[in-house]
Amino acid sequence: EPEVTQTPSHQVTQMGQEVILRCVPISNHLYFYWYRQILGQKVEFLVSFYNNEISEKSEIFDDQFSVERPDGSNFTLKIRSTKLEDSAMYFCASSETTGGSQWPQHFGDGTRLSIL
Amino acid sequence: AQSVAQPEDQVNVAEGNPLTVKCTYSVSGNPYLFWYVQYPNRGLQFLLKYITGDNLVKGSYGFEAEFNKSQTSFHLKKPSALVSDSALYFCAVRDMNTGFQKLVFGTGTRLLVSP
Repeated sequence: EPEVTQTPSHQVTQMGQEVILRCVPISNHLYFYWYRQILGQKVEFLVSFYNNEISEKSEIFDDQFSVERPDGSNFTLKIRSTKLEDSAMYFCASSETTGGSQWPQHFGDGTRLSIL
Repeated sequence: AQSVAQPEDQVNVAEGNPLTVKCTYSVSGNPYLFWYVQYPNRGLQFLLKYITGDNLVKGSYGFEAEFNKSQTSFHLKKPSALVSDSALYFCAVRDMNTGFQKLVFGTGTRLLVSP
């Protein structure tokens, strides 16, 4: 079964540094998402992306965050200047879109981001 | 705004017994409802969804869920639990009347199935 893949599985970064998290969505999917899960807390929506633009973003997704689809397969999340509170598990997800928003989102295994 | 409540942090059940994991939701319009399971160090794995139609939906690994509009609930059930079902379960909702795709998740319920 096709899977969403995320790299790296664990990223350790100094506070203030830029970090890029990478995702390869399922190949025929057209909607892409990033979520995060701070340790012990619920999964929170960050951003959705469709047709090469952001379709929705949460209040968490401020100017320090950006997303990009640099080629036909990768989908990236960049944090420009990391803060301690950015430490979390970041999940990428993708879904089909054939006129219905009822398609489930399929999640990768996540990248654990640790800010020192 | 959408919200999901999972009132139990943990559910304990003996193998072979039926299990129920509770979920209630709040949306302004009609809901799309989902259950996901998370095993240690893994992502969220889709189990089942309710979009429309029959209130009882069947999903992967023998799980099912019952949609109850009057009680705004979407409880996850399985007739006979397995030790391998032990994991973290998340209920999620999106409002089908909005144009947005985001899922709003509950806080999760840890299911422990004892041998």
